[in-house]
Amino acid sequence: GENVEQHPSTLSVQEGDSAVIKCTYSDSASNYFPWYKQELGKRPQLIIDIRSNVGEKKDQRIAVTLNKTAKHFSLHITETQPEDSAVYFCAAPWAAGNKLTFGGGTRVLVKP
Amino acid sequence: GAVVSQHPSWVICKSGTSVKIECRSLDFQATTMFWYRQFPKQSLMLMATSNEGSKATYEQGVEKDKFLINHASLTLSTLTVTSAHPEDSSFYICSASPTLAGVTGELFFGEGSRLTVL
Repeated sequence: GENVEQHPSTLSVQEGDSAVIKCTYSDSASNYFPWYKQELGKRPQLIIDIRSNVGEKKDQRIAVTLNKTAKHFSLHITETQPEDSAVYFCAAPWAAGNKLTFGGGTRVLVKP
Repeated sequence: GAVVSQHPSWVICKSGTSVKIECRSLDFQATTMFWYRQFPKQSLMLMATSNEGSKATYEQGVEKDKFLINHASLTLSTLTVTSAHPEDSSFYICSASPTLAGVTGELFFGEGSRLTVL
């Protein structure tokens, strides 16, 4: 199966600063890499994803970069705001279809 | 986006009883659904894949006789925790995707069900 490692486990940033979360995966056949945001007691929600045919994707303050050779991908949040405080999970697929393995999660705290 | 609904959102039960959790895809059909378990401050761990019209496939270490999964229609999967014990207390979340089988796409999650076993 897929093994996904995520770092750091906690991240505290000052409002307005940038936050970067990194993940590595083990299955070189993986071709889809989503990032989910989970607020306390709520369901995970997709914030951005990237497929293996591109190296970077951006959506307003959020960007994801992918290095297939090194088998790692990163989430970048710029100009962080208090509402960005949550737990973020990276994931990668294994086996056919939509079976995802999640990273351990990063608890992000944006201090005003 | 697609909508996945889960019920109940929370349940408290006595040790030894069984609890059923329902997961519905409201605006798409799902031949497969996924059941995850999440302990406090931990990641989502895949428990099993629910397959419409056939047996569920369970991940290593998950007892299939304890966590019964039924996927009787293209929009409904149920997870029954049988003979629940306090260590089964957790947040159970289902997910599904409207994409074609074999094509990896966005997973949509249900609201989650918080189970507390006394």
